[in-house]
Amino acid sequence: NAGVTQTPKFRILKIGQSMTLQCAQDMNHNYMYWYRQDPGMGLKLIYYSVGAGITDKGEVPNGYNVSRSTTEDFPLRLELAAPSQTSVYFCASSHGQGGTQYFGPGTRLLVL
Amino acid sequence: DAKTTQPNSMESNEEEPVHLPCNHSTISGTDYIHWYRQLPSQGPEYVIHGLTSNVNNRMASLAIAEDRKSSTLILHRATLRDAAVYYCILRDVTAGGTSYGKLTFGQGTILTVHP
Repeated sequence: NAGVTQTPKFRILKIGQSMTLQCAQDMNHNYMYWYRQDPGMGLKLIYYSVGAGITDKGEVPNGYNVSRSTTEDFPLRLELAAPSQTSVYFCASSHGQGGTQYFGPGTRLLVL
Repeated sequence: DAKTTQPNSMESNEEEPVHLPCNHSTISGTDYIHWYRQLPSQGPEYVIHGLTSNVNNRMASLAIAEDRKSSTLILHRATLRDAAVYYCILRDVTAGGTSYGKLTFGQGTILTVHP
């Protein structure tokens, strides 16, 4: 099993550009999460999904959108990149809301 | 959400035991105590969790106070690979609850291990 994979590993965006951060898991987990981590800080939840077709906002959803068309994939969309979105983004998945969360390696995003 | 308090940093020598404390005085009866760690430039990884009783696994031990207001993560023999940020997290996984199993990360404890 590859676990949770994320692409790209690193990206530089100009202000106002858009991009999609990809996340996939091969563990058949129903719950998936997107977090962001600013330097020296803990992770903050952006969006989560409890299954295909079901998504909801976390603590810091502004400026982001998600979709969940399959169990495996949970992409995160940035529509109008802003410098405040410079961060490291982590995707995670778990089997049920009580299951251990498995994290991907992260995507480092720099918005200039 | 109930909050946790951890020291900002701790140091240890290789092959010595490490005790990482966590205070959670406002813990509720349905909160599990979880520990995750984040190695440099990696995503967090699960270490251990418990509810009331002490727990052991291949990575660590978790000692939970009788009143559940504090807990301690114990690494029995620290190695250089254990240098990481350790997060103590309270997680409410009540069925039908509004927490959706989220993990609320604080700033954690930076563990430095000296050779």
